[in-house]
Amino acid sequence: DTGVSQDPRHKITKRGQNVTFRCDPISEHNRLYWYRQTLGQGPEFLTYFQNEAQLEKSRLLSDRFSAERPKGSFSTLEIQRTEQGDSAMYLCASSLSNGEQYFGPGTRLTVT
Amino acid sequence: GQQLNQSPQSMFIQEGEDVSMNCTSSSIFNTWLWYKQDPGEGPVLLIALYKAGELTSNGRLTAQFGITRKDSFLNISASIPSDVGIYFCAGQPDPAGGTSYGKLTFGQGTILTVHP
Repeated sequence: DTGVSQDPRHKITKRGQNVTFRCDPISEHNRLYWYRQTLGQGPEFLTYFQNEAQLEKSRLLSDRFSAERPKGSFSTLEIQRTEQGDSAMYLCASSLSNGEQYFGPGTRLTVT
Repeated sequence: GQQLNQSPQSMFIQEGEDVSMNCTSSSIFNTWLWYKQDPGEGPVLLIALYKAGELTSNGRLTAQFGITRKDSFLNISASIPSDVGIYFCAGQPDPAGGTSYGKLTFGQGTILTVHP
């Protein structure tokens, strides 16, 4: 399967802990996006990479959140000092420059 | 955050019926995309639209890019039980408008239930 993959699929953590998620995009895609989705809502944009450069960050991405794409391939999203409000599905998507974004299966985060 | 207005919020239909849903925005979009999401999974791309007025089909699905570039429509013909899920529209901004190119703005979703 050559689609977008994400790891882990589920993460349960205690408030105040740090978590890190990984996304592996479709191999030839230069663009990578992170979105967050809460129950009953559509995904909301968090941040965007073109190759290894992080070109845009949403105001939703507080300073506790950091994302990297060090070699322009896989990406990581880290949340420090997690809060209960961080509980959500974190989705990664990738695309070429033509706009069709393909999503991974997501990482479901539960902060207790 | 900003979201598109998607309607209806939910639909309960009988197998074999046709379905229509739409999405409107106060902003112009350069691209419209329609996705389907099953519980616990990521959205799956169904149809992408790139030109105002464009009508595109994918099997029993047909979508249109509104001529004002502020709306889009999705029709599903002869629904079957596996059509059950949440359908999302998503718009990608016009790069000439000065907004960010690439990021998607999503509707709230239409929950589709199909009774056999």
